[in-house]
Amino acid sequence: AQSVTQLGSHVSVSEGALVLLRCNYSSSVPPYLFWYVQYPNQGLQLLLKYTSAATLVKGINGFEAEFKKSETSFHLTKPSAHMSDAAEYFCAVTQTTSGTYKYIFGTGTRLKVLA
Amino acid sequence: EPEVTQTPSHQVTQMGQEVILRCVPISNHLYFYWYRQILGQKVEFLVSFYNNEISEKSEIFDDQFSVERPDGSNFTLKIRSTKLEDSAMYFCASGSGPLRHEQYFGPGTRLTVT
Repeated sequence: AQSVTQLGSHVSVSEGALVLLRCNYSSSVPPYLFWYVQYPNQGLQLLLKYTSAATLVKGINGFEAEFKKSETSFHLTKPSAHMSDAAEYFCAVTQTTSGTYKYIFGTGTRLKVLA
Repeated sequence: EPEVTQTPSHQVTQMGQEVILRCVPISNHLYFYWYRQILGQKVEFLVSFYNNEISEKSEIFDDQFSVERPDGSNFTLKIRSTKLEDSAMYFCASGSGPLRHEQYFGPGTRLTVT
């Protein structure tokens, strides 16, 4: 079975500092990986996705993630944090059975940006 | 830009009552999903739906749960007899198909069972 581990349930960074949110996956087949962001009292918004094309994936709001098969990782980064980045971030891997792709989510990382 | 919508945004119900959560997926999508997120926990898959039938369901999705696509636009989740532990945020998602992979999520319905 596939799974996702997000290290660090809470991460704090200063405004302007590098953001690094960690995601490791477990999969016996090539995975498809996603990062979603959830702002308070809102739904899940897709930040970026990896679907076996380029290993460095660029997403919205200046975020990017690199798929590293050797490390089974898909960490999310942003060079310079902005106050508006404060939110919860979820990493997800798809698992396909019966022709549909259900998502397996990590436990989430709450990002706090300090002024 | 097309989006997934859900109603109501917040539902309060008493234990044992039936609730129906409604979703309008993106119009040309063919795959539909329900997920839930208990407060402070991760998002969990409940059920996927394609071609008017359930494709897959999790162990959470027991006989108290059902899904339906009653017309060409709505996708509903019914909980027959709610329990306290059903209190959660319920997200609907839709996707255009496995080849596109990504799912688009609605804003969620917060269900509170008292």
